[in-house]
Amino acid sequence: AQSVTQLGSHVSVSEGALVLLRCNYSSSVPPYLFWYVQYPNQGLQLLLKYTTGATLVKGINGFEAEFKKSETSFHLTKPSAHMSDAAEYFCAVSRGSTLGRLYFGRGTQLTVWP
Amino acid sequence: EPEVTQTPSHQVTQMGQEVILRCVPISNHLYFYWYRQILGQKVEFLVSFYNNEISEKSEIFDDQFSVERPDGSNFTLKIRSTKLEDSAMYFCASGGDLDRGNTGELFFGEGSRLTVL
Repeated sequence: AQSVTQLGSHVSVSEGALVLLRCNYSSSVPPYLFWYVQYPNQGLQLLLKYTTGATLVKGINGFEAEFKKSETSFHLTKPSAHMSDAAEYFCAVSRGSTLGRLYFGRGTQLTVWP
Repeated sequence: EPEVTQTPSHQVTQMGQEVILRCVPISNHLYFYWYRQILGQKVEFLVSFYNNEISEKSEIFDDQFSVERPDGSNFTLKIRSTKLEDSAMYFCASGGDLDRGNTGELFFGEGSRLTVL
């Protein structure tokens, strides 16, 4: 079975500080992993995805994530937070398909202080 | 830029009433989905639809739910007799570009908030 755990429902950082949003997954097959962002009153937007190959993946807006199989983790990072990064972030896993059913975490609300 | 659009943005209904949520997926996409998020809970998969039939559904998607693609552009979710616990944000998504194949991304709409009283 597939599942995702996001540690920390709320994360607050100062502008310019490192952003680290944690995601651990459980999967019975090699997983495909995703991070989505949701800005207020908008839909979910794909930030980045891991399917196969390079374990460090880069996404939009300066975000990146590293797939660590031994730790079953896919943490999202950004070296320097910007006010515009304030949003809710969702980690998701699927069973080896980019068009298959997604299993989402509960989401992490990121607040960026000036 | 093409986008998935959903209507209505917010609907309030009485328990036991039928509700239809509408979605216009991105044209040329082949795969269509409904997800929902009850307040404070995870985004949950309801159903996927491909080639004019349901390809997968979750345990949530019981006989009270149905989906339809009536005219080649709209994709609807019907809840036959709403319950209080159906109150949630419902997201439509589409993916799989007919021309470009599997681009590896689902595009989500902004959601329809359903409130059942």
